[in-house]
Amino acid sequence: KQEVTQIPAALSVPEGENLVLNCSFTDSAIYNLQWFRQDPGKGLTSLLLIQSSQREQTSGRLNASLDKSSGRSTLYIAASQPGDSATYLCAVSGSGGSNYKLTFGKGTLLTVNP
Amino acid sequence: KAGVTQTPRYLIKTRGQQVTLSCSPISGHRSVSWYQQTPGQGLQFLFEYFSETQRNKGNFPGRFSGRQFSNSRSEMNVSTLELGDSALYLCASSRRTGNTGELFFGEGSRLTVL
Repeated sequence: KQEVTQIPAALSVPEGENLVLNCSFTDSAIYNLQWFRQDPGKGLTSLLLIQSSQREQTSGRLNASLDKSSGRSTLYIAASQPGDSATYLCAVSGSGGSNYKLTFGKGTLLTVNP
Repeated sequence: KAGVTQTPRYLIKTRGQQVTLSCSPISGHRSVSWYQQTPGQGLQFLFEYFSETQRNKGNFPGRFSGRQFSNSRSEMNVSTLELGDSALYLCASSRRTGNTGELFFGEGSRLTVL
């Protein structure tokens, strides 16, 4: 059974700081890995998707890496801003018939202080 | 391009009642998945529908059911509601065929069971 762990559970940083969020998963047989952002009481916004054959993806100030063999992914946020404050969720999808079934971590609650 | 639309956004029910939630996927997306989000368990996969057929199912009791219509819209139903069914129910859509497997989520339906 796939298990996803995110560390830390909460993180508070001053504006402008670069930061890294960590995600680990127990079964390396994944189809892809997605990072999401969730604002309080809202749905999930897709940030980055990394296919199992890829090592990293970048979008603006965000960079996500994937090391499938070790079961790890990181989300790097450069020059953080107060608007980045949210819960960040990592999710992996299984291989074979479970390509579209996501297993989520509990998330990292990020607070960026002005 | 419209995103994933979920209705209703908020609803309050009492124990023993049943509820039906609706999800309209992004145009052209034929896969719809449902997830339950609670503070204790986080995000958990309920089921996925593609071409009006359930393709994957999570570990939830039979009180949780769903269906998909020919226009890809989906509904989920929860019968004999329990207090523990209070949660944010999120719907996600995907093209499923010939794509990366990226899922796009709606804003959710927040169910409170009294």
